[in-house]
Amino acid sequence: EAGVTQFPSHSVIEKGQTVTLRCDPISGHDNLYWYRRVMGKEIKFLLHFVKESKQDESGMPNNRFLAERTGGTYSTLKVQPAELEDSGVYFCASSRTNADTQYFGPGTRLTVL
Amino acid sequence: RKEVEQDPGPFNVPEGATVAFNCTYSNSASQSFFWYRQDCRKEPKLLMSVYSSGNEDGRFTAQLNRASQYISLLIRDSKLSDSATYLCVVTMYGGSQGNLIFGKGTKLSVKP
Repeated sequence: EAGVTQFPSHSVIEKGQTVTLRCDPISGHDNLYWYRRVMGKEIKFLLHFVKESKQDESGMPNNRFLAERTGGTYSTLKVQPAELEDSGVYFCASSRTNADTQYFGPGTRLTVL
Repeated sequence: RKEVEQDPGPFNVPEGATVAFNCTYSNSASQSFFWYRQDCRKEPKLLMSVYSSGNEDGRFTAQLNRASQYISLLIRDSKLSDSATYLCVVTMYGGSQGNLIFGKGTKLSVKP
């Protein structure tokens, strides 16, 4: 069974540009989570999808971040416009139900210059 | 105050040593508890869940003290492959993982 995949693995952009991160969950996993680790800090929750619906987006830092999961399969996280403090590693995780283990993807390392 | 606090380490131990990590959490309403392992520049992976009665998985033993809001992980007979960062994780949802709340992690380095 293929694991959670994320694209790109690395992204370097300039402040003010737009970046879109993609996450493909494990097939059949209805629950999809986004997390972020900023340098020197702990991994923090951003939001949770159940199928195509946003279950909880309480961790989204501001309205420059937009997450979508059209069709309930893969998800995108767009940052527009990017700021320096958005640099970090963005992890996606998926689980079959919200009671099951979350499996993490390898992350996207975002650097905003 | 951080929601989940851990000693960042690093813990440098020789092979075969026993090492213990501790973690405290601030919200007494926390329901579920876990230890995750994260290798350098990799994703976190679930190591084990932590139950009130304590639980063991091979060389790893986890304990939970709800009264003190304290979680521990004991690793016996350390192997070189145990070198990683160990993340203490809690959730607010009973019987489920829900949204994970992470500590910053404790780094372990096992030396030959």
